[in-house]
Amino acid sequence: NAGVTQTPKFRVLKTGQSMTLLCAQDMNHEYMYWYRQDPGMGLRLIHYSVGEGTTAKGEVPDGYNVSRLKKQNFLLGLESAAPSQTSVYFCASTIGPGRFSNTGELFFGEGSRLTVL
Amino acid sequence: AQSVTQLGSHVSVSEGALVLLRCNYSSSVPPYLFWYVQYPNQGLQLLLKYTTGATLVKGINGFEAEFKKSETSFHLTKPSAHMSDAAEYFCAVTRGAAGNKLTFGGGTRVLVKP
Repeated sequence: NAGVTQTPKFRVLKTGQSMTLLCAQDMNHEYMYWYRQDPGMGLRLIHYSVGEGTTAKGEVPDGYNVSRLKKQNFLLGLESAAPSQTSVYFCASTIGPGRFSNTGELFFGEGSRLTVL
Repeated sequence: AQSVTQLGSHVSVSEGALVLLRCNYSSSVPPYLFWYVQYPNQGLQLLLKYTTGATLVKGINGFEAEFKKSETSFHLTKPSAHMSDAAEYFCAVTRGAAGNKLTFGGGTRVLVKP
């Protein structure tokens, strides 16, 4: 199984440009997440989704949009990139509550490193 | 609301010495607690987790952690450090079985000296 796959893995943008990060999972998970990782700040939740067609804001949602049109995919968009959005972005997924085997464990992709000049 | 505090952003240990990484949490409901490890240029991997039951939990690579409700702590230990333990470690909490979001601490980077 591929697990959680993120594309692209690296990207350099100029201020004001737009881009989309794609996350795909093949584990039939209900819940999907986008985090950003910055030195000394751990992982901070940007947006998340508890099912196909639903999205919700996390801790640091400003400047980002998301969509979950298909259960297996979760897209993160930057409409007008800013240098403050230079970061490593991680997608993660989990089964979701109410399932016998659910314990809240997240499965992570390998990350997408974004630099905004 | 829930939060996680990891004491020490960097820890240096000698090979063969005890590894102790501290994690304190706050949660309004009984929490589920996790430790994740991140090796350079990789995503996070689960080391171990506490949900219910036994408060001492064992994970991969010889790590273990003890849930202490009275101290709101979930410290991670390994009796003897190995060079391969050099990585960044993250403590995380969620609101038990009803939780749908993990909140992470700031991370502790472990350096292992030969």
